[in-house]
Amino acid sequence: DIQMTQSPSSLSASVGDRVTITCRASQDIRNSLAWYRQKPGRAPQLLLYAASRLESGVPSGFSGSGSGTDYTLTISSLQPEDFATYYCQQYYSAPPTFGQGTKVEIK
Amino acid sequence: EVQLVESGGGLVQPGESLRLSCAASGFTFFNYDMNWVRQAPGKGPEWVSAISGRGDYIYYTDSVKGRFTISRDNSKNMLYLQMNSLRAEDTAVYYCAKESGYITGWDVFDMWGQGTMVTVSS
Repeated sequence: DIQMTQSPSSLSASVGDRVTITCRASQDIRNSLAWYRQKPGRAPQLLLYAASRLESGVPSGFSGSGSGTDYTLTISSLQPEDFATYYCQQYYSAPPTFGQGTKVEIK
Repeated sequence: EVQLVESGGGLVQPGESLRLSCAASGFTFFNYDMNWVRQAPGKGPEWVSAISGRGDYIYYTDSVKGRFTISRDNSKNMLYLQMNSLRAEDTAVYYCAKESGYITGWDVFDMWGQGTMVTVSS
């Protein structure tokens, strides 16, 4: 199985801050990488796929980049609803696997 | 509006069985591959099983092979997960998740249900 490792595990930030989260795969996943946001008590919500493609309806303040084994999610200006946990997921090969999550907390 | 609503979770003892259901609406159900994804308390999501639109391709994560069975009824827009020989490590919120259809092969999950809690404990 492909292992997905996110960093940091948690971070504290303020509304309006720029935030970057990193995801590293244990092998090349050829941009087959998605990002999800999960608010407390809710299901994950798809934000981006193919490393950098924004899902319909997702604000343009979210962006993704990367290639090979290393990928990043950037939130250009944190909004109150963005304080949540973020997960990366690879779908390059079976089984699809998720990172352990990055919790974004209010400073 | 696309909607997925799971049901059937609960508290069971090790070795017992449960059947989860997921009612889908707002999209052409048989056109989409469907999945079950679970999330143990405080952990990241874990993919469990997938079934193709017509039900002719089925996949499981290794830890549930031989114990769980995924199925669907396209005439009723329903997805199921029969879980037998449950173990403490199966304790999690179980989500029904729709694949986006954007991608050939393994895909992303563009819609999730609210989840149903399964607790396996003596």
